[in-house]
Amino acid sequence: GENVEQHPSTLSVQEGDSAVIKCTYSDSASNYFPWYKQELGKRPQLIIDIRSNVGEKKDQRIAVTLNKTAKHFSLHITETQPEDSAVYFCAAPAYSTLTFGKGTMLLVSP
Amino acid sequence: KAGVTQTPRYLIKTRGQQVTLSCSPISGHRSVSWYQQTPGQGLQFLFEYFSETQRNKGNFPGRFSGRQFSNSRSEMNVSTLELGDSALYLCASSWGTGLNEKLFFGSGTQLSVL
Repeated sequence: GENVEQHPSTLSVQEGDSAVIKCTYSDSASNYFPWYKQELGKRPQLIIDIRSNVGEKKDQRIAVTLNKTAKHFSLHITETQPEDSAVYFCAAPAYSTLTFGKGTMLLVSP
Repeated sequence: KAGVTQTPRYLIKTRGQQVTLSCSPISGHRSVSWYQQTPGQGLQFLFEYFSETQRNKGNFPGRFSGRQFSNSRSEMNVSTLELGDSALYLCASSWGTGLNEKLFFGSGTQLSVL
């Protein structure tokens, strides 16, 4: 199976709602979990990351949670705004390479 | 500090041709990774170079190759192009391994194979 699975592939929300994107990974040795945001026609940029020694990290409206036992981590965006519309990628180290999920297209409608 | 620079920005080639893409990392970064991005497939790892040595390689055919120079600039080459090679090719640089630190991506080279 995939080393990193990401769900959902698309997510539509109304402005002000919350959005949650979930990823699972297979390599139990993974210890670093970044999230990248790619706006249309632009390069991916890191928005938040978490290391395996913590269970949650917040930065303003975004947060990431990690469950090492279940091998999954999630991105939470609160009070979504139209400028949050983008493709979001999770990633995890898997057997000496940084493996990305297939991405989630988030659309925030005004 | 200049960001990661990729050239050219766009390329149009025909089947059977070869192509070379270039990536200049952020000054001081020693690791350069290459990814292929296609709709619905996300970012697929091609290879990583660190201090002129290929450290890891993804699951791509031997037609895909790369190298890194002493100034950390990297090139990737695709020979005998196929229609399925059409994609956005992104490079990313980092100070160390790239496995547990922030990656800085370039804007990519959009390759179209006709």
